[in-house]
Amino acid sequence: QVQLVQSGAEVKKPGASVKLSCKASGYSFTNYYIHWVRQAPGQGLEWMGIINPSGAGTNYAQKFQGRVTMSRDTSTSTVYMELSSLRSEDTAVYYCARTKWELAPVGGFDPWGQGTLVTVSS
Amino acid sequence: QPVLTQPPSASASLGASVTLTCTLSSGYSNYKVDWYQQRPGKGPRFVMRVGTGGIVGSKGDGIPDRFSVLGSGLNRYLTIKNIQEEDESDYYCGADHGSGSNFVGVFGGGTKLTVL
Repeated sequence: QVQLVQSGAEVKKPGASVKLSCKASGYSFTNYYIHWVRQAPGQGLEWMGIINPSGAGTNYAQKFQGRVTMSRDTSTSTVYMELSSLRSEDTAVYYCARTKWELAPVGGFDPWGQGTLVTVSS
Repeated sequence: QPVLTQPPSASASLGASVTLTCTLSSGYSNYKVDWYQQRPGKGPRFVMRVGTGGIVGSKGDGIPDRFSVLGSGLNRYLTIKNIQEEDESDYYCGADHGSGSNFVGVFGGGTKLTVL
């Protein structure tokens, strides 16, 4: 079945960087865009950006421009999201999610990874 | 890009029906919206996509027939009939704007549904 499995929880100090992974299985990796969405404790969902695993093209939410980098490794069907200059407000659960429709960035996010908790604390 | 507005809370009695609303900002009446369910302590789950013509594509895996959608003007609705305890969740609407390298995703603030 289609599955996205994310890396484990991270604890980082302010100013550090974190790199999360999202391993896809059960479908053709390069045919579906991957999004990253985060959720701060008790808050709503926030879209961070998108990567096309085929050509590695990306687009990031303006809020994260300059701090986020998304990449992929087609040999392992894995997408990565690196966030730098971490601050306490970046404490959140980070989700990867696949687009529902093949070969298109649109159509909804389905399925989602299980989420990775990133805690930023001194 | 559109702004999506959702009431923060809703409630309904067991076995009753409830309709959740997601309102697009002015000028975006042709946009489709995706509904997501997030149960307490869990990740989001795709419910279905809705435009002014109703459902677009298929429901998410395991979404029961009690869930339906409708779209009118700037509003996109998710109706849940015969509410069950497991329907108590946060419900988010989301939309996409642009395409390819210009794609942007947006979410509403979410509605917390309480089952009485």
